[in-house]
Amino acid sequence: AQKITQTQPGMFVQEKEAVTLDCTYDTSDPSYGLFWYKQPSSGEMIFLIYQGSYDQQNATEGRYSLNFQKARKSANLVISASQLGDSAMYFCAMRDAGSSNTGKLIFGQGTTLQVKP
Amino acid sequence: GAGVSQSPSNKVTEKGKDVELRCDPISGHTALYWYRQSLGQGLEFLIYFQGNSAPDKSGLPSDRFSAERTGGSVSTLTIQRTQQEDSAVYLCASSQGRDRLIFSGNTIYFGEGSWLTVV
Repeated sequence: AQKITQTQPGMFVQEKEAVTLDCTYDTSDPSYGLFWYKQPSSGEMIFLIYQGSYDQQNATEGRYSLNFQKARKSANLVISASQLGDSAMYFCAMRDAGSSNTGKLIFGQGTTLQVKP
Repeated sequence: GAGVSQSPSNKVTEKGKDVELRCDPISGHTALYWYRQSLGQGLEFLIYFQGNSAPDKSGLPSDRFSAERTGGSVSTLTIQRTQQEDSAVYLCASSQGRDRLIFSGNTIYFGEGSWLTVV
């Protein structure tokens, strides 16, 4: 069965420092995609970054990068040079080829990040 | 439209009443999803529509929940005889066409949600 695990309910980081948010996943399907979303207090889910299981390189989008370790089934999000506006809840999500026909994204429980000035 | 639009943004209803939540997906997106998020929790999949195919209703928690999508665009999620445990944020999302996992462009975009409170 598909599963996403985020073991850090809450994290603190000093402004301008880097932070890593953990995510591990479980699927028996070799074809899958991993997503990270940011949810500020307004409630909107904002897409940050995507990693495909066959991608050769780790995904990067501006200050966001994904540390993809396929053998360990981990897809940690790294935020560099943290800003106060990064304070939010962060969700890791997965969709595999089996669920691609149904479109279902499986989400982790989320990590609340607070950036300190 | 520019993004996924949901209405109402906030709804307070009495226990036992029916509610309807509306979602207008991004123009051209054929896939539409409903998720539910309880306070401080992750997202729970409810239902998925893809074009004219039969929807995947596997996430609907009970027969009090139903959804339809008219004309392949706007969707309505209906909760009948609401209960207090139905209080949550209901998020709608859309994406382009059939999923192609190797293409990062097929991203799911979410609306701002409908906050439902059952009293």
